[in-house]
Amino acid sequence: DTEVTQTPKHLVMGMTNKKSLKCEQHMGHRAMYWYKQKAKKPPELMFVYSYEKLSINESVPSRFSPECPNSSLLNLHLHALQPEDSALYLCASSDIQGLGQPQHFGDGTRLSIL
Amino acid sequence: AQKITQTQPGMFVQEKEAVTLDCTYDTSDPSYGLFWYKQPSSGEMIFLIYQGSYDQQNATEGRYSLNFQKARKSANLVISASQLGDSAMYFCAMRAQAGTALIFGKGTTLSVSS
Repeated sequence: DTEVTQTPKHLVMGMTNKKSLKCEQHMGHRAMYWYKQKAKKPPELMFVYSYEKLSINESVPSRFSPECPNSSLLNLHLHALQPEDSALYLCASSDIQGLGQPQHFGDGTRLSIL
Repeated sequence: AQKITQTQPGMFVQEKEAVTLDCTYDTSDPSYGLFWYKQPSSGEMIFLIYQGSYDQQNATEGRYSLNFQKARKSANLVISASQLGDSAMYFCAMRAQAGTALIFGKGTTLSVSS
């Protein structure tokens, strides 16, 4: 069992739908991340939150909107997505202190855009 | 800028044999951390092992060990006594500042046969 919980595990949505991905961790980590991963490729960083504030946005299209309501929760709001946005979306968290803190990943949400 | 290079797209090994997965890195920072993750086909990213740039000894975690050669900027993962369950994609990653997102290599797919 992973310590980072992502819901839903699978999501199929049309290009006009609005949906949200959720991520929760209770390890007291103050850094949280969203990644997008295509099959057989490495994870691509999308957003980083540090102390609940957005610190990095890797030029992600505005149809992806992140939100960090508190130190344990991270959301990714989706609207008007394109077929190429179909991918595995991974959430991760880590302690902010020290180089050696691993990122703990959730199991991911497999997103399919029709 | 930091960069991770994994030059082996795929590796094949028989059960009970040892296998080495290659990773080279590039950074101008004197202090950095190196990580290896395993990603089975189910999608979760599993943290395996960590090596700090100032660590005098190579890291080991059970059947996993890291062959760290600082002068050559390499951090190869050695898996001893391979098992069928080791079949997965393996990513090498690094960070040079605490609290920042990991930078991943392209990954190596390991296939273990009986």
